[in-house]
Amino acid sequence: EIVLTQSPATLSLSPGERATLSCRASQSVSSYLAWYQQKPGQAPRLLIYDASNRATGIPARFSGSGSGTDFTLTISSLEPEDFAVYYCQQRSNWPPDFGQGTRLEIK
Amino acid sequence: EVQLVQSGAEVKKPGESLKISCKGSGYSFTSYWIGWVRQMPGKGLEWMGIIYPGDSDTRYSPSFQGQVTISADKSISTAYLQWSSLKASDTAMYYCARHFRRFGELDYFDYWGQGTLVTVSS
Repeated sequence: EIVLTQSPATLSLSPGERATLSCRASQSVSSYLAWYQQKPGQAPRLLIYDASNRATGIPARFSGSGSGTDFTLTISSLEPEDFAVYYCQQRSNWPPDFGQGTRLEIK
Repeated sequence: EVQLVQSGAEVKKPGESLKISCKGSGYSFTSYWIGWVRQMPGKGLEWMGIIYPGDSDTRYSPSFQGQVTISADKSISTAYLQWSSLKASDTAMYYCARHFRRFGELDYFDYWGQGTLVTVSS
């Protein structure tokens, strides 16, 4: 079973700043990693799939990179609506579980 | 428009049984795996299992195997998650979600239901 570890647990930034979130896998998942955004009281939303591909309708300020065991979600310039919890998920091995999440909060 | 609509919130006592539902529309329900994800209060997402409604092939996470049953009725485009004997620790929000691609047991989720809150308390 692959364990995904996200860091930091909480990230405090201001609108307009750049956010960098990390997801590290306990073994290689190749490029089979996705990122989700979840706002309070809402279901998660798929942002990035296969490490670097934006899902339909996702703004260009969201980008993903990495392969193997180390992955990054970057938000180039934070908008007020970007403050939320972000999860990574792998689809390389069974079960395709999620990381524990990073909370992005307003500073 | 793809939609997954889940049944409403439930309040149950320990030891009771429960079956919650997830109705899909706007796409070929039998052609995509549907999964269930648990979110305990204030906690993260946990992948529970998936079902392929076309033939009811089912897969479970080891953490949830034997604890829940996933089923589907393709005639009414509905997937289910059920418990035979609830525990207080089953209190959580449960989401259904559709696989991103048509094929493959290992995939991400692109469309999600609104969630069903299950509260188990004596």
